[in-house]
Amino acid sequence: GQNIDQPTEMTATEGAIVQINCTYQTSGFNGLFWYQQHAGEAPTFLSYNVLDGLEEKGRFSSFLSRSKGYSYLLLKELQMKDSASYLCAVTLRRGSQGNLIFGKGTKLSVKP
Amino acid sequence: NAGVMQNPRHLVRRRGQEARLRCSPMKGHSHVYWYRQLPEEGLKFMVYLQKENIIDESGMPKERFSAEFPKEGPSILRIQQVVRGDSAAYFCASSDGRGAPEAFFGQGTRLTVV
Repeated sequence: GQNIDQPTEMTATEGAIVQINCTYQTSGFNGLFWYQQHAGEAPTFLSYNVLDGLEEKGRFSSFLSRSKGYSYLLLKELQMKDSASYLCAVTLRRGSQGNLIFGKGTKLSVKP
Repeated sequence: NAGVMQNPRHLVRRRGQEARLRCSPMKGHSHVYWYRQLPEEGLKFMVYLQKENIIDESGMPKERFSAEFPKEGPSILRIQQVVRGDSAAYFCASSDGRGAPEAFFGQGTRLTVV
């Protein structure tokens, strides 16, 4: 079967740094995505990793280790608007960007 | 540049009725994906379509559910004879099937079966 694990909830303070981990065991791998989803809204794309290493994009960074089946999303200089669910997802096949296996999401609460 | 458009945003159906959910992909996108999200659960893949073709329907229940993406017009997810367990948020995503890695999601249709 396909399995993607991430913590259910996390809490952090405004201005701080938070790391959200994701581990996966899947029958194939062609990339890992992180999406942000505010309550009642559409998931929005944050990052994509297909090679090992760190991808940085402004306040958000994502890391991948294929050998360990592990990724994390790093959020710096947290803002209240970062309170949302963060979804880790894996795609098995190339060219099928929307055919994703999602984890259950990590609900992040940012406190003042 | 309009994003992925889904309608209706909210849909209430009585048990046994039919539900039709519509999805217009982003301009230039010909690949559409449907997902279901139950409360406290992750997004679950249902079906992947390209214009007029179903590419992968491995996540779609065999009974009562069908999807289409005609040459003209939006993609439609149809649920016949709805039951309470069909109550969920249904999201559509689209992609160009080429260079960009990500798919873009619509705001979803929240189906409530009473």
